[in-house]
Amino acid sequence: AQSVTQLGSHVSVSEGALVLLRCNYSSSVPPYLFWYVQYPNQGLQLLLKYTSAATLVKGINGFEAEFKKSETSFHLTKPSAHMSDAAEYFCAVSVNRYSGGGADGLTFGKGTHLIIQP
Amino acid sequence: SQTIHQWPATLVQPVGSPLSLECTVEGTSNPNLYWYRQAAGRGLQLLFYSIGIDQISSEVPQNLSASRPQDRQFILSSKKLLLSDSGFYLCAWSVLRGPTSGANVLTFGAGSRLTVL
Repeated sequence: AQSVTQLGSHVSVSEGALVLLRCNYSSSVPPYLFWYVQYPNQGLQLLLKYTSAATLVKGINGFEAEFKKSETSFHLTKPSAHMSDAAEYFCAVSVNRYSGGGADGLTFGKGTHLIIQP
Repeated sequence: SQTIHQWPATLVQPVGSPLSLECTVEGTSNPNLYWYRQAAGRGLQLLFYSIGIDQISSEVPQNLSASRPQDRQFILSSKKLLLSDSGFYLCAWSVLRGPTSGANVLTFGAGSRLTVL
């Protein structure tokens, strides 16, 4: 079974500083990896996804993530934080177990709350 | 374009009362549908998923059940709520078909916040 670990339930950075949110995965087969963002009392919005086409993935709102197989990591970064980036961020993994049964959902990490200091 | 609707947005229910949360998807046919629960500090837990009408898979045995009476409608129910059922319930859909179809990208609804007192 696959799993995701997000290091740090809360991360605080200053406005304009680098954002780094850490995600490590565990999977016995090549995974698909995702980052989602959740603003207060809202659903989740897809930021970016890794599908093995390229190890550096660019997403919306200036975020990007790099897949590193040797480190089993998929950390999310943004060069310069903005106040509007304050939200909960979730890393997720899936492997297609579509063997005549079903389309399995994603396995999510516990989330990282990003706080932006003015 | 596809849209997903969840209601009610918020709900306060007493312990022991029934529950019905509804989710509908527009603009697509035969979607995969999912129910997740988000509890404080515990991330998102997959509760149920469905690949078709009346085809429901349960990921976690518990006090809840799900039904899919129509292609684009997914309902989460309980006969008697527990305090531990409180949380933020999220419905999602995807169109993944088969192991070679690529990543199973889920699109989420706005969620339903349930408080059990």
